[in-house]
Amino acid sequence: AQTVTQSQPEMSVQEAETVTLSCTYDTSESDYYLFWYKQPPSRQMILVIRQEAYKQQNATENRFSVNFQKAAKSFSLKISDSQLGDAAMYFCAYRVQGAQKLVFGQGTRLTINP
Amino acid sequence: GAVVSQHPSWVICKSGTSVKIECRSLDFQATTMFWYRQFPKQSLMLMATSNEGSKATYEQGVEKDKFLINHASLTLSTLTVTSAHPEDSSFYICSADPPPDAGQFYEQYFGPGTRLTVT
Repeated sequence: AQTVTQSQPEMSVQEAETVTLSCTYDTSESDYYLFWYKQPPSRQMILVIRQEAYKQQNATENRFSVNFQKAAKSFSLKISDSQLGDAAMYFCAYRVQGAQKLVFGQGTRLTINP
Repeated sequence: GAVVSQHPSWVICKSGTSVKIECRSLDFQATTMFWYRQFPKQSLMLMATSNEGSKATYEQGVEKDKFLINHASLTLSTLTVTSAHPEDSSFYICSADPPPDAGQFYEQYFGPGTRLTVT
């Protein structure tokens, strides 16, 4: 079974500092996609960043970057220069190429301390 | 970008009644839509996958007769909670697959969610 594990239920960081959220996944597939979604208090799910498994280069979106380690099945999210608006639940998700289901991790609640 | 809406955003109903939640793709056609349920401080739990023009595929443990899903058009899917009870109170989120010409990124576009409270 494909599973996604986020081992940090809660994290906190000082404003302007850097924080890394962990995610590991279990799969026997070779072609898949990985995502980080943000769910702020409004509860609207927002795509933060995505990574295609066939790409070795780590994805980057402004202050957000990932460390994708395919062999280790690890997909961590680094947030640089943390801002108050980054406070949210963050979900790691996985989807096999060609499959319909998106598999979510348990989530990490991120608090930004001013 | 692709926008998905849900209506209503919050609904309160009495135990034993039915309530319908709508999910619409506003600026694209969605052949596949998904319905999730989310309890407080928990992750999203997939309830069913809805393909336009065919019966929904329900996840194990989800009652098909209680959670009726209809995907009659390429822009609308509905979730009807029948004979609702307080334990059905939850946050329901729909999502849709982007159109093929959006690129092969396989992310889903999410609606804003519907809070259901059954009294």
